[in-house]
Amino acid sequence: GAVVSQHPSWVICKSGTSVKIECRSLDFQATTMFWYRQFPKQSLMLMATSNEGSKATYEQGVEKDKFLINHASLTLSTLTVTSAHPEDSSFYICSARGLSNQPQHFGDGTRLSIL
Amino acid sequence: AQTVTQSQPEMSVQEAETVTLSCTYDTSESDYYLFWYKQPPSRQMILVIRQEAYKQQNATENRFSVNFQKAAKSFSLKISDSQLGDAAMYFCAYRTWNSGNTPLVFGKGTRLSVIA
Repeated sequence: GAVVSQHPSWVICKSGTSVKIECRSLDFQATTMFWYRQFPKQSLMLMATSNEGSKATYEQGVEKDKFLINHASLTLSTLTVTSAHPEDSSFYICSARGLSNQPQHFGDGTRLSIL
Repeated sequence: AQTVTQSQPEMSVQEAETVTLSCTYDTSESDYYLFWYKQPPSRQMILVIRQEAYKQQNATENRFSVNFQKAAKSFSLKISDSQLGDAAMYFCAYRTWNSGNTPLVFGKGTRLSVIA
């Protein structure tokens, strides 16, 4: 089946640094990629949707300058948390889909801890 | 906008017994997809079962089956012969038929505990 690889799986860094999370579709072309944030014991909250070669569409309340999303190719999207602070600590999950009628496949997530 | 409601924050079931998780949704569309995802402690999102709204027959996957009531906008998940490995968060999700860029809409989830 379709595989989405996300890394790193866990990152700890100091406040003020920037962190990049990669999301790759390994065996299909991801026309659309989605980035979610999940707080403990809560559901997935959509942050943004991106199409290859286009600017990402951010959900209301998500800071574009804080969470930079790049979808440079049909197999790679990146989320960069800029100048991260402790309140950015969370679990981030990417998801990818090929054609519009195909399932949405998920990466294994990244646990981000900002000290 | 579509919404998905899971009214049971937590459920528990005895091992080998059957449990049903509830899900209702609100939409004005006639064609769409419905899903159940499982998220174990590893936090990996695992697709359990999928239902196309145009299909009257309820989807089944081994011990997992759904009761899809389109008129009532209800989509419950039944887990038969529950196993310890079934313990997880379960999310019900909705997706528009002609999805384009439209993402899944998730419910808040139901935490299932399995008692040995």
